[in-house]
Formats: sequence, structure tokens, C-alpha cells
Amino acid sequence: DARVTQTPRDKVTEMGQEVTMRCQPILGHNTVFWYRQTMMQGLELLAYFRNRAPLDDSGMPKDRFSAEMPDATLATLKIQPSEPRDSAVYFCASGQRAGAPGDTQYFGPGTRLTVL
Amino acid sequence: AQKITQTQPGMFVQEKEAVTLDCTYDTSDQSYGLFWYKQPSSGEMIFLIYQGSYDEQNATEGRYSLNFQKARKSANLVISASQLGDSAMYFCAMRFDLSGSRLTFGEGTQLTVNP
Repeated sequence: DARVTQTPRDKVTEMGQEVTMRCQPILGHNTVFWYRQTMMQGLELLAYFRNRAPLDDSGMPKDRFSAEMPDATLATLKIQPSEPRDSAVYFCASGQRAGAPGDTQYFGPGTRLTVL
Repeated sequence: AQKITQTQPGMFVQEKEAVTLDCTYDTSDQSYGLFWYKQPSSGEMIFLIYQGSYDEQNATEGRYSLNFQKARKSANLVISASQLGDSAMYFCAMRFDLSGSRLTFGEGTQLTVNP
């Protein structure tokens, strides 16, 4: 049963610390998405990649957030320095038919980040 | 502006009954995709069902069906024979920008199934 995996599942850190979240997309999927979920804003797209190339990161605060795909099996989202307002659940999702109407995005379990 | 609206913050249904969760959207695009996801209290996002804007038949997946009314710009989720495990948050989502693959989500509806 192919699934998107994310690590860590939970992260508690102090303000100012660097946070790195990792995602392994479903094998064969060529599109990877990073979403953030908060009570106030709901689900927001932060960035996404197709064939490892960043296509859109307009939803991401550029000064502190960065997203990369070092290889086809790993996507990372870094926050440096972290702030309390970054506390949220961060989801990674992957899809296999980028641009097709029926391209379903499959979500990982999420990383719950708490910045104190 | 392209937007997804879920007007029901919370819904209650008796076990074994059917329930409809509303979703309306606003777009001038002719080609788009509509999705429903379930988020139980454990937090994961589970894909339920997909409807393409050009699909003539309403999508069905087991107990889930999508009541797609293109002229009204609505894509309501119907869950038949509700089960206690259906209690969760349900999100309607739409792909407006086909070239980009991004999904835009509604605010969600919290469904509670009562025994």
C-alpha cells in the first residue's frame, strides 16, 4: 500500500531554532506539494515541485522558509529561524499526473509543529 | 476570483442515515477538477472522491457519491448509510489551474454521526 511518509510526526522547538521536515512521496509520483493547516487559515499551499523543480512557492514566507527536493524520493521544508506563528500542521502530498484534471493528491500524515 | 465555499461548519446525522455535505465554487474556467477529502481526528487527509468538470455522470465510490450540478456550480458530497467512523472533518477542494496542479480547499464541514 503506497503512502506518503513524513518525518517527524511531532516537533516541539523553541523560537529561533531551525526546523527541518522531510517527506517521501509515493514512488513514481512526479509532483510534490507542501501545505500548512491552521485553525485560522485552514489549508494553505506553501510550495510545490514537479520533477523535482520548484514551480510555485508564492505561498511561502521567503525570508525564513525554504523547500527543496534533493532527489525524487525526498522533499524537505526548512524554517530558519522558527517563530511561534509557524506553529501548525505541515502536510506533504504527492501526485502522479501533473496538470491532468484527475491528478489526485495523496497526503502524508503531517508534521505537527509547535514553536514555543 | 476562484473560491470554494462550504457553508455548513457542522452537521449531525444518525447512524445508517444518508447525509449531504454542501460545496459551491466560483470559477470562470471551463475545465477543472473537484475533490473531497476526509480528515478524522487523527489528522491525516484521506482522498474520497473526484469529479471532472466534463464528466457527464456523477462520481461514486462505495458509499460516497458526488452530486455535481455544473450550472449551479455545486459539488455536494453524499454519504449513504452513515457509520460512526464517518465522524470527521470533510473538505471540498478544487483544481482551478490545470497547468499548475494546485488545489484550493474549502473551510471544511465537521460531521458527527450519532449512534
